[in-house]
Amino acid sequence: GAGVSQSPSNKVTEKGKDVELRCDPISGHTALYWYRQSLGQGLEFLIYFQGNSAPDKSGLPSDRFSAERTGGSVSTLTIQRTQQEDSAVYLCASSLGRRGGEQFFGPGTRLTVL
Amino acid sequence: SQQGEEDPQALSIQEGENATMNCSYKTSINNLQWYRQNSGRGLVHLILIRSNEREKHSGRLRVTLDTSKKSSSLLITASRAADTASYFCATMDSGGSNYKLTFGKGTLLTVNP
Repeated sequence: GAGVSQSPSNKVTEKGKDVELRCDPISGHTALYWYRQSLGQGLEFLIYFQGNSAPDKSGLPSDRFSAERTGGSVSTLTIQRTQQEDSAVYLCASSLGRRGGEQFFGPGTRLTVL
Repeated sequence: SQQGEEDPQALSIQEGENATMNCSYKTSINNLQWYRQNSGRGLVHLILIRSNEREKHSGRLRVTLDTSKKSSSLLITASRAADTASYFCATMDSGGSNYKLTFGKGTLLTVNP
C-alpha cells in the first residue's frame, strides 16, 4: 500500500498563530513517531505513539507543542503560538510496533514561521 | 540531542568511485540504521545492522559495525550520480528506549557525473 503521508507539504504562518500538521501512517503500523529537522539542531525525536497512547513525549520542546493520535491511525501535531525558532521540517514515521525495527518516514512538512 | 557524529561532513567523488562514510556513537545500542535524504525532505531507510552483527550487505551497500569502538561505516560501491544525497546514521538504544532513533548530523555526498 501507500507509504506514510503528511500534510501540508509546506506551511507558512505568522508568529503567534497556531498550526496543525497531519500524519497518515502506513496501514497496520501501530507505532508512530514525530521528528523535527532544523539547521541548528539536526534531526530530533519529538514524540512516540504506540496505538493512541504516547509513552514518550520527552522530545517535545515546550508546552506549546502537543500531539494526538486517534483510531490508532492518523496523528496531528499542533504547535500553538508559533515562534520563529519553530521553523523546521517536521517528519513523521511509522513502524510495525515491534521495538527495534525499521521506521518508515513520510516526506515531511516544511514549516516557516515569519 | 545528537548521538552520533558522521565523518566526513561532506564528500565529493566521481561516478564509479566508492564512497565511505563513518559514524561514531556514544551509548549502548540495540541497532544502528543508515538513512538517505534527498533535498532535505523524507528519509529513506537503507540498512539496519543489529548490535550482534558485524557486517551487512544490501546491493551496492556494505555496512560494518564495531561495538567496541562504537563506530559504523557505510560503503557505497560503484557510485552513481543518483546516489547524491545526505546520509545519516541513527542509533536505537538498548534497554527501555529501543523505539526512538537518535540521528547523527549527516554526510553530504555529491557524485559527479
